[in-house]
Amino acid sequence: QVQLVESGGGVVPPGRSLRLSCAASGFIFSRSSMHWVRQAPGKGLEWVAVISFDGSSKYYADSVKGRYTISRDNSKNTVVLQADSLRPDDTAFYYCAKGWESLDHWGQGTLVTVSS
Amino acid sequence: SHVVTQPPSVSVAPGQTARITCGANNIGSETVHWYQQKPGQAPLMVVSHDTDRPSGIPERFSGSNSGNTATLTISSVEAGDEADYYCQVWNTSTDQSWVFGGGTTLTVL
Repeated sequence: QVQLVESGGGVVPPGRSLRLSCAASGFIFSRSSMHWVRQAPGKGLEWVAVISFDGSSKYYADSVKGRYTISRDNSKNTVVLQADSLRPDDTAFYYCAKGWESLDHWGQGTLVTVSS
Repeated sequence: SHVVTQPPSVSVAPGQTARITCGANNIGSETVHWYQQKPGQAPLMVVSHDTDRPSGIPERFSGSNSGNTATLTISSVEAGDEADYYCQVWNTSTDQSWVFGGGTTLTVL
């Protein structure tokens, strides 16, 4: 069965960086596009970034463009979100999800808290 | 930016039919996907590509999309259906972006 396990969340001061990882299993990772979606506590879902199956295409939400970088390692079945210049409004649960147009499987998320 | 609008809340009695809407200008020309999120859990796709039901999702869940409104319909509502529901579209009009509606809380009375 499809499994997506996020890691790397934590508490970080404003302006610092964090590297989130998502380990995938149960499907052919190298054929699947992958997303990051976040959800501030008590709020709705916000799409963050997507990377195509081969890493050749990447798109970002305006709110993170220039600060976040999505990448993948198909040899390790892992997708990474590098989050730089973090701000308090980046505080959220970060989910990785599989798919392109739709997001058909989601991980359980990792919490990022940006606070001094 | 592309804006997709959902009602904040919908309430329905057990056994009745719940309809959750997702509105945007000419959304019928786009493809809409729906997700269910229960408290403390990750989202779960319940309808994809307007009307398709993923494996394991009960037939009580169905979708439609026409004009300016897409609708998620849950028939014979059960207490276990109580959750937040989000619609999502893939916007390709300017830059590629994936847009979620603000979410609708379904309360089973």
